[in-house]
Amino acid sequence: TQLLEQSPQFLSIQEGENLTVYCNSSSVFSSLQWYRQEPGEGPVLLVTVVTGGEVKKLKRLTFQFGDARKDSSLHITAAQPGDTGLYLCAGPRWTSGTYKYIFGTGTRLKVLA
Amino acid sequence: EAGVTQFPSHSVIEKGQTVTLRCDPISGHDNLYWYRRVMGKEIKFLLHFVKESKQDESGMPNNRFLAERTGGTYSTLKVQPAELEDSGVYFCASSQVVTGTDTQYFGPGTRLTVL
Repeated sequence: TQLLEQSPQFLSIQEGENLTVYCNSSSVFSSLQWYRQEPGEGPVLLVTVVTGGEVKKLKRLTFQFGDARKDSSLHITAAQPGDTGLYLCAGPRWTSGTYKYIFGTGTRLKVLA
Repeated sequence: EAGVTQFPSHSVIEKGQTVTLRCDPISGHDNLYWYRRVMGKEIKFLLHFVKESKQDESGMPNNRFLAERTGGTYSTLKVQPAELEDSGVYFCASSQVVTGTDTQYFGPGTRLTVL
């Protein structure tokens, strides 16, 4: 069962365009994280959203956590080639006395110069 | 400060052989995780160490996989005997604390190909 569905799976846009990627679940998460992964490297944490309705900005990236804490979005303004990569959302699940993280399938973004 | 390192970066083995992957976490991080991504699928949790103890190994696929973290420093993940479906990228991550909002630092991964 895939708990975190990401869309779109692939996105190819021109430099300067805006885009939004989505992370959806039928389950409530206490928080959600967004990572970016580049080829040959591991995922790198961009942001953690904790409160329903929360909006966080990281330069040209805007992250939002849904009011019901079941979904999140990542909006990139004026995309640049350096934004190219695989974007992953992840959320914690409490089990066996600790948290383990569930990852979405990812959105592969390519920004063309 | 050095990040999480993994060795080897790539491994190509034949079905039935044994492979051992190594992960060196960030110094001082008690929590160490192993994850795996098979082609076209999401990154999946395998297990979690707190120091040298296995806190959660619910994600380990079967008893062909053995993870150890002797001394609470580096960790190894051994696959014996390897099967075709074990191919994928194995990631290691470490963190200082486990809060549900903690930052996990990932290594670059080991790409395992079983022929």
